[in-house]
Amino acid sequence: EAQVTQNPRYLITVTGKKLTVTCSQNMNHEYMSWYRQDPGLGLRQIYYSMNVEVTDKGDVPEGYKVSRKEKRNFPLILESPSPNQTSLYFCASSQGEGGSSYEQYFGPGTRLTVT
Amino acid sequence: AQSVTQLGSHVSVSEGALVLLRCNYSSSVPPYLFWYVQYPNQGLQLLLKYTTGATLVKGINGFEAEFKKSETSFHLTKPSAHMSDAAEYFCAVTRMDSSYKLIFGSGTRLLVRP
Repeated sequence: EAQVTQNPRYLITVTGKKLTVTCSQNMNHEYMSWYRQDPGLGLRQIYYSMNVEVTDKGDVPEGYKVSRKEKRNFPLILESPSPNQTSLYFCASSQGEGGSSYEQYFGPGTRLTVT
Repeated sequence: AQSVTQLGSHVSVSEGALVLLRCNYSSSVPPYLFWYVQYPNQGLQLLLKYTTGATLVKGINGFEAEFKKSETSFHLTKPSAHMSDAAEYFCAVTRMDSSYKLIFGSGTRLLVRP
């Protein structure tokens, strides 16, 4: 089954404790992205990657890092989480250039709480 | 800069009634437009999309949307609401550059009354 998976689905942590949220897709997509969802704000892009070893900032990159060492994986790293990073996070992937009209496939989400 | 506006953070309809969720966008060039649905505790699922061609697009679960360039709108409709349609709906536009970013509206929560 074609899908985007994220782990963990739920995470409660404390301020300053480094964490990683994993994202993996099995569709051989070139493009991957991370969004955060906050009430009343919709989804905002954090980082994206056009291909392996190619990443760039989205609209709200502060406090986050990403890496793209393999085509299928795109982990989101919070080096020193703060309470304002409490949010619902989504990973998405797309075929990218020449693909299906920019359609993006979303993972199930990771609900992060930073206390 | 591109942006998406969804009118009404909450819309309530009776079961069997028409569903109309409004979406307006701003873009200097014709964008690609999407509607996504989010059921409780789930990710986003694509309902339908407009890229080129026919301006009336049909999606899953009986939903459809019409791209109206003159009104910069992409409203979502369904003739008869079902209880299972209760969810949050997001309109999105693709940024027409190399970032492929989806720019989302703030979402509309659809409530369906029995």
